Amino acid sequence: AQTVTQSQPEMSVQEAETVTLSCTYDTSESDYYLFWYKQPPSRQMILVIRQEAYKQQNATENRFSVNFQKAAKSFSLKISDSQLGDAAMYFCAYRPTQGGSEKLVFGKGTKLTVNP
Amino acid sequence: NAGVTQTPKFRVLKTGQSMTLLCAQDMNHEYMYWYRQDPGMGLRLIHYSVGEGTTAKGEVPDGYNVSRLKKQNFLLGLESAAPSQTSVYFCASRRPGRFRGYTFGSGTRLTVV
Repeated sequence: AQTVTQSQPEMSVQEAETVTLSCTYDTSESDYYLFWYKQPPSRQMILVIRQEAYKQQNATENRFSVNFQKAAKSFSLKISDSQLGDAAMYFCAYRPTQGGSEKLVFGKGTKLTVNP
Repeated sequence: NAGVTQTPKFRVLKTGQSMTLLCAQDMNHEYMYWYRQDPGMGLRLIHYSVGEGTTAKGEVPDGYNVSRLKKQNFLLGLESAAPSQTSVYFCASRRPGRFRGYTFGSGTRLTVV
C-alpha cells in the first residue's frame, strides 16, 4: 500500500528564518506526483508546490522549495525567509501517474508555528 | 471566479438525521471529489466522479452516497448520520489529463451528536 509519512507533528520557526518539513513515502511505482498543501486556520487547502517524479530538478515556488530524493523516497519542503502568514498545517501528498487510482494519499500533517 | 464552493460551512446533526452537502465549481472541471479530514488522519477519499452522471467509491465510502447530475455540482449525502461521521468534509475538482493538483473548497464542518 502506498503511504505518506510526516514524522514531525509540529515545528516552529522564527520569522525570517528557514525551516524544513520532512516527508517520506512508500511506493513501488516509478512515475508519480508529489505535493505539498498548506492549510491555514481558514481551513482552505492551498497547493504550495508540485513535483513530478521523472523530473530530477527540484521544484521551486518563490520562498518554497523541495528536496526530492527519489531513491530515498523523501520529499522535504524548505520555507525560506519565513513569514507570519506561513503558519499553517502542511500536508505532503502522493499520487501515482498510472493505475487509474483517483486517490491522493495524504500524510497526517505538520503544524508549523512562526514566531515573531 | 469563485472556484469551488461548498455549502453549508457548518452543520450540527442529530444521530439518524439525513443531510446533503453541496459542492459547486465554476471552472468546467470534469473530475470532482469528496474527502473527509479527521484529526491526526490527514484527508481520506470518500467518493469521486470523473464526469457528469458518473460516480465511484473511494477509500471510505460506507455511510455516504453521491450524485453528479450536473457537471458543475457534486452532492454528498448522509442517509442516517452517525457520530463517526463527525468530520470536516472537503470537495475538490480538477481537469482531466496529466494531474496538476486539485482545487479545493473551503470545507464543511459537520458535527453529529
